[in-house]
Amino acid sequence: VQLVESGGGVVQSGRSLRLSCAASGFAFSNYAMHWVRQAPGKGLQWMSIISYDGSDKYYADSVKGRFTISRDNSKSTLYLQMNSLRTEDTAVYYCVRTPGWFGNTYDYWGQGTLVTVSS
Amino acid sequence: DIQVTQSPSTLSASVGDRVTITCRASQSIRSWLAWYQQRPGKAPKLLIYQASNLESGVPSRFSGSGSGTEFTLTISSLQPDDFATYYCQQYKSYWTFGQGTKVYIK
Repeated sequence: VQLVESGGGVVQSGRSLRLSCAASGFAFSNYAMHWVRQAPGKGLQWMSIISYDGSDKYYADSVKGRFTISRDNSKSTLYLQMNSLRTEDTAVYYCVRTPGWFGNTYDYWGQGTLVTVSS
Repeated sequence: DIQVTQSPSTLSASVGDRVTITCRASQSIRSWLAWYQQRPGKAPKLLIYQASNLESGVPSRFSGSGSGTEFTLTISSLQPDDFATYYCQQYKSYWTFGQGTKVYIK
């Protein structure tokens, strides 16, 4: 199992960024996926989950209406579209696999991609 | 929202010590609790799920216990590889993490 995030970088407050997560080594289309972030020197925060087929999506209140999770099962890729970015969105963003849906924890994590939002 | 509180936030210990970290949930989460280890610059690694089940490949010196609102992670004999930050996570209702416990070398 491998999850490789990309798309991070430095962006100005109010702008947009799209993160990608390329999955390999497992049947991507069979698994729900999450995005989890970690601000520098801080703890972990769940952001969003998407069902195996992309039909169900849920978001943390802090990003609802600004971030959109999506997936392309033909490309085994997970996405996070981040709009109206704020300085408090600065964090390492992890792509994470779950063996189930709600009521399940995570089993595999990517290495993360750093997003820095400047004022 | 279910809040999860870990203690202590830092812990100083020596190789061979028995170490215990506590996690408290703001309401009953039955056994829907996991523990993760995170080394600097790395992604978290799952150690324990369902409060007491050891993830495959994790050394048996790690153990978890508890149910309801009080949980513990115990490392029976601390090894050099174990100096890291540990997080608990509830997954009964969405997913929330504790603030983390950093284990330092004494």
